[in-house]
Amino acid sequence: KQEVTQIPAALSVPEGENLVLNCSFTDSAIYNLQWFRQDPGKGLTSLLLIQSSQREQTSGRLNASLDKSSGRSTLYIAASQPGDSATYLCAVTFDDYKLSFGAGTTVTVRA
Amino acid sequence: EAQVTQNPRYLITVTGKKLTVTCSQNMNHEYMSWYRQDPGLGLRQIYYSMNVEVTDKGDVPEGYKVSRKEKRNFPLILESPSPNQTSLYFCASSLYKAGNTEAFFGQGTRLTVV
Repeated sequence: KQEVTQIPAALSVPEGENLVLNCSFTDSAIYNLQWFRQDPGKGLTSLLLIQSSQREQTSGRLNASLDKSSGRSTLYIAASQPGDSATYLCAVTFDDYKLSFGAGTTVTVRA
Repeated sequence: EAQVTQNPRYLITVTGKKLTVTCSQNMNHEYMSWYRQDPGLGLRQIYYSMNVEVTDKGDVPEGYKVSRKEKRNFPLILESPSPNQTSLYFCASSLYKAGNTEAFFGQGTRLTVV
């Protein structure tokens, strides 16, 4: 069964610290991987999309890496801010038809 | 502004009363899908559509129907809602296929069935 796992489920850091969020998946034959942000009561916002042929993607303070052979992706958020507090979801495309989501990591950045 | 719009945002209904949640996108995307999000279960796909008049079941289709008569619209229909369909629902779209390109999500519809 193709599964996506995110550990830890929750993370609390002081402002300014770098955030490291982990995502693992069971099948290395993926099309791509996306990181999303979800704020309470809100929809999902796409942060980064990494195609299967890529090793990493960067956008501002965000950097996501992809290692298909080990079934892992890591999202780095540099110099965290209270506004980064949210739930971060990893989604993997194993086929053309759906995104398979992890359960998410809820991040709290303390001022 | 590129967006996926769902309506209503909040809905409380009674068991058995048919309802429709609308979803519309303004990006000319071919692919659209519906997910439900439940505590402890994460997001699970209900139905998806690869294009007009092309729909198929996702992981949890029981109790739901969809239609795709126009490219921009993909309504979710609950013919006879039950309490176990109480959930947070999201509509999503992308240019082609499921995650081939960036996925855009609606703001969500919180449904309560009593």
